[in-house]
Amino acid sequence: EVQLVESGGGLVQPGRSLRLSCAASGFTFDDYAMHWVRQAPGKGLEWVSSISWNSGTIKYADSVKGRFTISRDNAKNSLYLQMNSLRDEDTAFYYCGKDSGHSLIASTHPDYWGQGTLVTVSS
Amino acid sequence: EIVMTQSPATLSVSPGERATLSCRASQSFGSTLAWYQQKAGQGPRLLIHGTSTRATGTPARFSGSGSGTEFTLTISSLQSEDFAVYYCQQYDNWPWTFGQGTKVEIK
Repeated sequence: EVQLVESGGGLVQPGRSLRLSCAASGFTFDDYAMHWVRQAPGKGLEWVSSISWNSGTIKYADSVKGRFTISRDNAKNSLYLQMNSLRDEDTAFYYCGKDSGHSLIASTHPDYWGQGTLVTVSS
Repeated sequence: EIVMTQSPATLSVSPGERATLSCRASQSFGSTLAWYQQKAGQGPRLLIHGTSTRATGTPARFSGSGSGTEFTLTISSLQSEDFAVYYCQQYDNWPWTFGQGTKVEIK
């Protein structure tokens, strides 16, 4: 069974940093691309970032480009999101997702998501 | 950026009835559209990918259709566990974009 467990969320002041982690199990982690999406409380889903199986291809939403960094450690079956210069509008639940393929090509898509971790940016 | 617009925002349906959810794209693309179900306090669950292919474990009462800029998710006979929020998502172009969601509630 695919399991994705996010951690690292919490309350942080504007301008500070936070690192999210996603522990993956139930599949061969280094065979698949991975994703982060977020959801402000009571709002819809927003794609944040994606990374291919070997970290060779990385994509970011314009809203986080230059502030967030996605990475993965295939030896630890883990996905990360380093979030710097946090803003009030970054407050959201952050979900880790597994892709159906290993490269970020148009025919592949997310097929599993975790339960999320809440990041609250507030002074 | 492809803007995805879902309608209606809220759909009130009685159990056993049919529900039809719409998703419109601001520009045409191929079949790279997915539908997700989300219940309160949970992450999204993939229902449909490739416009019309049911994901593993998706009941047959869920079907997807459409092309170009118009896509539809149909639930043929609503069950109690189907009351949730549904999102469409295009994965044809970066950035990936989602619709704002349709809440299916009990009438």
